[in-house]
Amino acid sequence: QVQLVESGGGVVQPGRSLRLSCVGSGFTFSTYGIHWVRQAPGKGLEWVAVNWDDTNNKYYADSVKGRFTTSRDNSKNTLYLQMNSLRVEDTAIYYCARDWNAAFDYWGQGTLVTVSS
Amino acid sequence: QSVLTQPPSASGTPGQRVTISCSGSSSNIGTNTVSWFQHLPGTAPKLLIYSHNQRPSGVPDRFFGSKSGTSASLAISGLQSEDEADYYCAAWDDSLTGWVFGGGTKVTVL
Repeated sequence: QVQLVESGGGVVQPGRSLRLSCVGSGFTFSTYGIHWVRQAPGKGLEWVAVNWDDTNNKYYADSVKGRFTTSRDNSKNTLYLQMNSLRVEDTAIYYCARDWNAAFDYWGQGTLVTVSS
Repeated sequence: QSVLTQPPSASGTPGQRVTISCSGSSSNIGTNTVSWFQHLPGTAPKLLIYSHNQRPSGVPDRFFGSKSGTSASLAISGLQSEDEADYYCAAWDDSLTGWVFGGGTKVTVL
């Protein structure tokens, strides 16, 4: 069955960096675009980024552009989100989700990132 | 505020029909497909509707999606207690070159 599992969350100080991972299984990982979506405490869902094929086919939300980058290692069925210059407002649960028919059909359980001094 | 506009809350009694609206613009809903998600706190969001009105396998036909112009709607008929959740619409936005979500609608079963 299709599964996505995020890891790498934790507590980090403002201005520092963190790298999240998303491991996929049960499908041909290399043929799917994978998104990052986050939910801040008490807020709604916010799309963060998508990585289609690890070339220049990546897009980012304005709120993270220039600070976050996504990459993938298809040999490990893994997508990464490198988060630099973290801000308090980046505190959220980060989900990865598979793209299917211009929607997100499978989601991971999420990993919590807390940015606090 | 969110690019896509949803009412913050909706409610109904068991068996009733509830409709959630999602208002956008020509750069998102007007030209791209809309999807809907159900989200229970602490769990992974679930895809309910894609391509405006298509249901993935396993989603009951009590959930119905539609689109008209720059707005979309999700209707839940035969409301059940397990439908209590947050519901979000989403679409690609050509101007922002990214996906946008609605602010979410909390559905309460009275």
